Amino acid sequence: GAVVSQHPSWVICKSGTSVKIECRSLDFQATTMFWYRQFPKQSLMLMATSNEGSKATYEQGVEKDKFLINHASLTLSTLTVTSAHPEDSSFYICSADPPATTNEKLFFGSGTQLSVL
Amino acid sequence: DQQVKQNSPSLSVQEGRISILNCDYTNSMFDYFLWYKKYPAEGPTFLISISSIKDKNEDGRFTVFLNKSAKHLSLHIVPSQPGDSAVYFCAASAGNFNKFYFGSGTKLNVKP
Repeated sequence: GAVVSQHPSWVICKSGTSVKIECRSLDFQATTMFWYRQFPKQSLMLMATSNEGSKATYEQGVEKDKFLINHASLTLSTLTVTSAHPEDSSFYICSADPPATTNEKLFFGSGTQLSVL
Repeated sequence: DQQVKQNSPSLSVQEGRISILNCDYTNSMFDYFLWYKKYPAEGPTFLISISSIKDKNEDGRFTVFLNKSAKHLSLHIVPSQPGDSAVYFCAASAGNFNKFYFGSGTKLNVKP
């Protein structure tokens, strides 16, 4: 079946540094990918919709200058957390539109746990 | 404002018995619902879905029930197996399959 690969799975960084998270569709092309964030004991919250070859669409309250999204190819979307601070510590997960041949609606990566010191 | 709620953070069930996971939503425009299962250190995997034109969908041991008037859906697993132990998320969308709202998850523990 379709697979979405996300890495790194865990990253620790100092406050003020930038962190890049990659999301790849391994055996299918994904024109649209999604980035979610989950704080402890809370829901997965959609941050932005990443469209190949165009600007990402951000949800209300998500700072586009802080969370840079690049979707330069049909198999890769990246999320860069710029100048990370401790309050950005969270679980980030991407998903991709699967091929039309499957009944699933979204395929998820395995997630990235970001800890900002 | 959380539009999809799973009010039970955890549930413990004996192997072989029925597991019932509940989910409530507030947006009456939601017309498509999903259940996902998540093991530790893995991404969520799709389990079962239901559209608002139905009130029940069944797939093997898993059945999802939708009560539109109550804005409530539930996932029944019977018989429950230890391998079903995971966190279960419900999600809903309103006409746009690309935008889903998730509940906070229920951690199911099936005891042997």
